[in-house]
This record gives sequence, C-alpha cells and structure tokens, in this order.
Amino acid sequence: GIQVEQSPPDLILQEGANSTLRCNFSDSVNNLQWFHQNPWGQLINLFYIPSGTKQNGRLSATTVATERYSLLYISSSQTTDSGVYFCADNTGGFKTIFGAGTRLFVKA
Amino acid sequence: NAGVMQNPRHLVRRRGQEARLRCSPMKGHSHVYWYRQLPEEGLKFMVYLQKENIIDESGMPKERFSAEFPKEGPSILRIQQVVRGDSAAYFCASSPPRLASETQYFGPGTRLLVL
Repeated sequence: GIQVEQSPPDLILQEGANSTLRCNFSDSVNNLQWFHQNPWGQLINLFYIPSGTKQNGRLSATTVATERYSLLYISSSQTTDSGVYFCADNTGGFKTIFGAGTRLFVKA
Repeated sequence: NAGVMQNPRHLVRRRGQEARLRCSPMKGHSHVYWYRQLPEEGLKFMVYLQKENIIDESGMPKERFSAEFPKEGPSILRIQQVVRGDSAAYFCASSPPRLASETQYFGPGTRLLVL
C-alpha cells in the first residue's frame, strides 16, 4: 500500500512566525487531505486537496500530484494552531492511510 | 446539526473483559470508519462500514475485534477479552454518501485503558 511520510516530525514556533509542513507519498494519490488534531484530541478537516492550491484564512495547502507531495502553509501562527497535523489519502479505496503527523507547538 | 458522537469518552477495562465503543454518525451520513491511535502515533484504519454492511475490514485484527453498523442505532466496535495492547484512542468518522471519498468528520474519540 501507499506510504505517507511527513516532515518535520516536530516543530516549535514563536507566535507570529510562518511555517511549511510537508507530506510525501510513495505512489500516486487522488484524495489527499490535511487534518489538525488539537491538544484535546479532536480531529478537524482542514483541506481536501488532490491537486492545486487552496486557502482558508491563515492556512493554505498545495498538492503537486505529479511529484507526489503536498505542503501545508501556516502563516502568522497563533497558539491555537498547536497540535498535530496529519496528511492522509484514500486513493486505494476507502482505507484511509495517515502519515505519522507533525507535532506543532506555538509559543506565546 | 450535531457532529459525530462517540461514547463513552473514556473506558477502563481489566484484562479479559469486553469493551463496546459506540459511534453515532452525523445526520444523513451512511458511511462510518473506525480508526485506532496509539500514543504519539498517527491514526490506523480499522474498518469501513455502510448501513448493515462491512465494506473494508482489512485494518482490523482478525481475532477479538468486530464491528457493526445496524440499520437502526449507532455503529459498534466491540473488543472481546481485552489486553493491555488494546489501550489506545479509538476514533470514529462519518461521511455522506456523495462525498464518501473526500470528506470524513471525526468524533471526539473513546480513550480505552486496559489495566
């Protein structure tokens, strides 16, 4: 099955800083998604981004399917952005494969 | 419109007991997924169900684990004869039929602790 790798595994930012999170996949993907898991464990959909670029407030995501990667940009980070960011894909059917996540901590 | 609901939120069991985890999907959602998350790890797919049908259970251990999504009522993930290694957070997600491959909405999870 497809392998999903995320980098960096951990990230500490000062409030207001920008960051880029990366997701690499081992094969073609068609249903790439980004999720945020807050410190209380709740998972929230951020983007469904099989290709191209989408923006939602301070967050944006870009997927370059031909080169098998996706990027999540966080601008002007806030403490509420802390948590774990996952990318996931279910191209092979409904079995969704998650990456190991990037753990982000934003300092006030 | 209430989100995906899971109960209980926390469950403590002794080794050998049974654990039953419930998931009520969002209104109008007919697809349910179960995932397991070990501490400091990502989510691992367990099973995908539609009403009264198991579509893909390739991620579920063959023994002690079972799942159902009856015509009426919540989806149930059942773990028999729990062992310490079953301690984890179990998340349920649901999606509407038309967007089944695109959008999953997650519940708050059930944190199972096996003593």
